[in-house]
Order: sequence, then C-alpha cells, then structure tokens
Amino acid sequence: GQNIDQPTEMTATEGAIVQINCTYQTSGFNGLFWYQQHAGEAPTFLSYNVLDGLEEKGRFSSFLSRSKGYSYLLLKELQMKDSASYLCAVRGGGKLIFGQGTELSVKP
Amino acid sequence: EAGVAQSPRYKIIEKRQSVAFWCNPISGHATLYWYQQILGQGPKLLIQFQNNGVVDDSQLPKDRFSAERLKGVDSTLKIQPAKLEDSAVYLCASSSPGPVRNEQFFGPGTRLTVL
Repeated sequence: GQNIDQPTEMTATEGAIVQINCTYQTSGFNGLFWYQQHAGEAPTFLSYNVLDGLEEKGRFSSFLSRSKGYSYLLLKELQMKDSASYLCAVRGGGKLIFGQGTELSVKP
Repeated sequence: EAGVAQSPRYKIIEKRQSVAFWCNPISGHATLYWYQQILGQGPKLLIQFQNNGVVDDSQLPKDRFSAERLKGVDSTLKIQPAKLEDSAVYLCASSSPGPVRNEQFFGPGTRLTVL
C-alpha cells in the first residue's frame, strides 16, 4: 500500500528554524516533492528530491533518505508569511500521492 | 506565462443537483490532473489525462463523476448527482514532460459546497 505521514500541526516563532518531517511507504519511488499551500489558495512547488541528500534553496532546504523512507523540509529565518500548510508528496507508479499536510503557524 | 485557469471559483448546490467545473492548463502542457481536496486533507487524484487520453482514473467515482479533455487542451469535470460528501475544493493541475522534475502546476481551485 501507499502511505505518507506528516504531523498535522506545528507552531514556531518568527525568526526561528522549523523542521517538518515526512515518512512514506510507496510502491515504486520516483521523487519526493514539497508544496506550500496558503489557506484558500493552490499548492505551489517548493522543492524536489530524487537522490539522497540535502537540497538547499534560499531559506528552504529539503532532505531525503530513500532507504529510510524519510524526508524533511527545513525552514530558516521564519517569517509570518510562512504560515501555511506544507504538503509532502511522493511520486510512484506514475502518480503523485500527497500527505495530509502540516499546518504551520508562525507566531511573532 | 499564464497559469492554470479554473472556473468557477465557488459553487453552492443542493444534493442531487449536477455541477461542472472547467480547467485550462498551461499552454503546451500535455498532462492534466483533477484532484479533490477535502478540508484538512491533502489533494487526492481523481483523474489524469495525457493529451486527450485517460492515464489513470482509478480513484474517480465513475457512478457520479465524469471528466473529458476532448481536444487535448482544456477539460471539464462533472458531478451528477452531487452528494454532501462531495463538498471539497477541486484542483486542476498540469505538467509538461521534463528530464527529471516534471512538477505539477496547480490552478486556484473550485470550492464546491453541497447542501
């Protein structure tokens, strides 16, 4: 079967660092995506990992370990506008399977 | 570059009525997806088109949902008759074949409320 787990909610302070974890079990693996979704808006692409290791893009980094079925999204220097839902999605068997999303609240 | 367009943005109907949603993908994107996103959940794929052919409709409730992409460009998703549990945001996405990443670009969605 296919299963993606991520925490439902997280809270962090403006200026801090937060790590959002994602574990997955899928039949076939062809990449892991992180999307950001603000309330009432469409998901927007943040990052992509297909090989093990860390991908860095500005304040956002994403890590993948295929052997452990594990990824995380790291957000640095948090800003209020980072308050959103963060969706982990795994591509396998030709389709993209989404986790339930992690609702991140950034407090002043 | 224009993004994925969807209409209407909001729709309220009563149960047992029918409704249709429209999507126009990014120009040149051969693959089009329809997702259902229930509040508090991640998007769930309903149907995937490659040009005007169906690639995957395994999670489409075919007794009430139908979709078409006749000319391989824009697409419509129809629900007939609607049920209360169909209340959700219906997202359309498109992608273009690429060497590796091939990420999906999402439209703003249609928020459906079934009363």
